[in-house]
Amino acid sequence: KNQVEQSPQSLIILEGKNCTLQCNYTVSPFSNLRWYKQDTGRGPVSLTIMTFSENTKSNGRYTATLDADTKQSSLHITASQLSDSASYICVVTSGAGSYQLTFGKGTKLSVIP
Amino acid sequence: DSGVTQTPKHLITATGQRVTLRCSPRSGDLSVYWYQQSLDQGLQFLIQYYNGEERAKGNILERFSAQQFPDLHSELNLSSLELGDSALYFCASSVGPGGASYEQYFGPGTRLTVT
Repeated sequence: KNQVEQSPQSLIILEGKNCTLQCNYTVSPFSNLRWYKQDTGRGPVSLTIMTFSENTKSNGRYTATLDADTKQSSLHITASQLSDSASYICVVTSGAGSYQLTFGKGTKLSVIP
Repeated sequence: DSGVTQTPKHLITATGQRVTLRCSPRSGDLSVYWYQQSLDQGLQFLIQYYNGEERAKGNILERFSAQQFPDLHSELNLSSLELGDSALYFCASSVGPGGASYEQYFGPGTRLTVT
């Protein structure tokens, strides 16, 4: 059964600090992995999309890594800001023509002053 | 603003009723996706249409149906509503077919409350 596990469930950090969120998946066949940021009550916003051949992808202060061998991904946030407070969701796509999306339950990040 | 519009923003209805949610994709996008987000289940993929044709199906109940019209807008129909159908329903769009690494742009969502 395809599964995506995210850790930690929640995280509180001080403004200006760095943090790393984890995503482990058991999805096959792998197509791509996406990280989304979702503010409460709003639609998710895409941060990165990575395919099998990509190890690292950056989007400003967000850097995602992918290890397809161990089926792990991480999202690193540098120099956190109060506006980074949100839920971060990992989504793995499996298949090609006929595909499935498997969502993690998200990590809720709170950045405090 | 993602360019994806959803109406209505809020909907309150009673159990057993039927509702229709509407989505207009970004200009130029051919794919529309529907998602359900409830507090206990997180985000779940329901269904995707590409240029009017159903492309992929997720955890969509038989009481739910969707379609994409020639002008590319989409509607999600929910019938015989139950309390557990209360959730945020998101629509997203992308330029290409699903599965591939196309960016998906999410709308603001429709909050459905079933009483």
